[in-house]
Amino acid sequence: QKEVEQNSGPLSVPEGAIASLNCTYSDRVSQSFFWYRQYSGKSPELIMSIYSNGDKEDGRFTAQLNKASQYVSLLIRDSQPSDSATYLCAVNPSNTGKLIFGQGTTLQVKP
Amino acid sequence: SQTIHQWPATLVQPVGSPLSLECTVEGTSNPNLYWYRQAAGRGLQLLFYSVGIGQISSEVPQNLSASRPQDRQFILSSKKLLLSDSGFYLCAWSFPGELFFGEGSRLTVL
Repeated sequence: QKEVEQNSGPLSVPEGAIASLNCTYSDRVSQSFFWYRQYSGKSPELIMSIYSNGDKEDGRFTAQLNKASQYVSLLIRDSQPSDSATYLCAVNPSNTGKLIFGQGTTLQVKP
Repeated sequence: SQTIHQWPATLVQPVGSPLSLECTVEGTSNPNLYWYRQAAGRGLQLLFYSVGIGQISSEVPQNLSASRPQDRQFILSSKKLLLSDSGFYLCAWSFPGELFFGEGSRLTVL
């Protein structure tokens, strides 16, 4: 059974702090990894993709991938109340759109 | 740019009634299309995917069916809804491995 595991949270951080979201996956052949942000009642929005080991930065967001440890993380710097949402980690084992999603981590950024 | 539209956005249906959710994609041709469901307190589950007109693959045996009558149209249907069909239904397209979702259709079965 291919799985993606996330801590459901909620993860609470003060405004301006760094939020760290973590994800582990079980399928070693997975080649691409994604982070989606989902506001309450809305559909998921792709915010980061990462395909190789190391860090990938995009604005306040940094995705980190460690394939040896089967671990993906998302760092959000200078967290804002508007970052409060559920963050879904997804893994693509076959380079199709048949992603395997984690349950999501709820992030609360307090002013 | 590519856009994806779903409708209806919200619907409440009685048990045993039929269902039809529609999804269309603009700005691309021959897209791979997907139906996912997000039930309350659960993760996103892939229901169907399609690589072309009339080509449907089912990921989970269930009360639902899908059809792709046109290149950029994807329809999710049921003849008789169950309580367990309640959830947030998301249509998506992929390019090539990244997945992009529509606005979603929230179904409540009573």
